[in-house]
Amino acid sequence: DGGITQSPKYLFRKEGQNVTLSCEQNLNHDAMYWYRQDPGQGLRLIYYSQIVNDFQKGDIAEGYSVSREKKESFPLTVTSAQKNPTAFYLCASSHRPGQETQYFGPGTRLLVL
Amino acid sequence: AQKVTQAQTEISVVEKEDVTLDCVYETRDTTYYLFWYKQPPSGELVFLIRRNSFDEQNEISGRYSWNFQKSTSSFNFTITASQVVDSAVYFCALSGPSGGGADGLTFGKGTHLIIQP
Repeated sequence: DGGITQSPKYLFRKEGQNVTLSCEQNLNHDAMYWYRQDPGQGLRLIYYSQIVNDFQKGDIAEGYSVSREKKESFPLTVTSAQKNPTAFYLCASSHRPGQETQYFGPGTRLLVL
Repeated sequence: AQKVTQAQTEISVVEKEDVTLDCVYETRDTTYYLFWYKQPPSGELVFLIRRNSFDEQNEISGRYSWNFQKSTSSFNFTITASQVVDSAVYFCALSGPSGGGADGLTFGKGTHLIIQP
């Protein structure tokens, strides 16, 4: 089945630790996105990528990094510089950048120990 | 800057009642797209509808209907004869001329809909 997978479902981070969230899609979509959701809030854009080997900062990129070495994969690293990383992270993809519907993965919940 | 307002934080109705979720948006763009997503307790966002700014026709899909009015910058969502399975958080979202490409989607804070049996 075509879709977007995210792993792990739950992730625990220790102080000063970098952690990486996985996002894979087999929809042959060009564009991929990372959003952060805090309780009672809407989603906010962290990073997006319109094409392989290219990515752009969103509204809240500080403390995060990404890579797009393959079309199917868009991992997000939460670095130690992100002081408040506890949130629900959602990955999305769209067929083309712009004017396209974004489809979302199941999300990863990150908690700080 | 773009903005989406969902003033209803939580709505609770009894099953089989009709319910309308409000969405008001702000944008300076003449070409834009509006979306509704459903987020069940599992967390995954489920796409419901996309509407472009030039299409003001109302849309109906089963028990769901959407009313788009540019004059009031609103894109409201109505569920007819609500069911317990409709319980979820519903998000309205807005994109600019480049859709979700350049700046992603701007989301409202969501409306938590509770359908009581």
